[in-house]
Amino acid sequence: NAGVMQNPRHLVRRRGQEARLRCSPMKGHSHVYWYRQLPEEGLKFMVYLQKENIIDESGMPKERFSAEFPKEGPSILRIQQVVRGDSAAYFCASSPLRDRTFYEQYFGPGTRLTVT
Amino acid sequence: KNEVEQSPQNLTAQEGEFITINCSYSVGISALHWLQQHPGGGIVSLFMLSSGKKKHGRLIATINIQEKHSSLHITASHPRDSAVYICAVGIQGAQKLVFGQGTRLTINP
Repeated sequence: NAGVMQNPRHLVRRRGQEARLRCSPMKGHSHVYWYRQLPEEGLKFMVYLQKENIIDESGMPKERFSAEFPKEGPSILRIQQVVRGDSAAYFCASSPLRDRTFYEQYFGPGTRLTVT
Repeated sequence: KNEVEQSPQNLTAQEGEFITINCSYSVGISALHWLQQHPGGGIVSLFMLSSGKKKHGRLIATINIQEKHSSLHITASHPRDSAVYICAVGIQGAQKLVFGQGTRLTINP
C-alpha cells in the first residue's frame, strides 16, 4: 500500500509563473489536506478537500491560490503568478475518515517550492 | 498566544539521556498527534492519541485531556533521534490540524 505521493519533490519557478503541486492520497483515502511550511516557521493549514468538494479553505490566501480534488486523478494545489514569499515546503496529507471523531492523517514527502 | 505551545523550543542532550518534550493546547480537540521531521525531510506521524498513553519502541506519548497537556518521551536517546518534533491537534468539529512550533532535538554522541 503506497503512501501519500507528492510531485514534484522540488519545483523552481520564476516570479510570475504558475506552480502546480500534485498529491495522490493513500489508497482508500478520499480526504486530502494541504499544509504550508514557510522557512523557519511552523506548519499551517491551507485547505481540506474531499473528492470534488472543498470542505474548508479557511487557510488559503485569498488570491492566486486554488485547490481541487477531482473525481479522477490527484489533488492539485495551484499557485498563480508566484512571488518570492510563496517559497516554502507544501505538504499534503490524506485520511480515510472512518471515524468522524478521530482521524489519522498520513503525510506525503512534501514539495519544496523555490521562487527565484 | 498560540493555540498549541511546545517546550522547549530547542533541546540538546547526550546519547542515552531520557528526553521529554511538552505540548500544551488551549482548544477543544478530537485527537493529538506527535510528528517527526528530519532536516529537509518529510513528516512522519509517530503517534495519534486522544487519551492515556501509547508506546512504540523507545518512544512514549501521554496525554492529559483535563489539563490539556501531552508529553513525548524518548528513552535511551540516540543521535538518529535528532530531528524536529511537532505536536499537532485536531480541532474539535473541524477536520484540520493546528501545529506547535516544533522542538528541535539534537542528540550528541
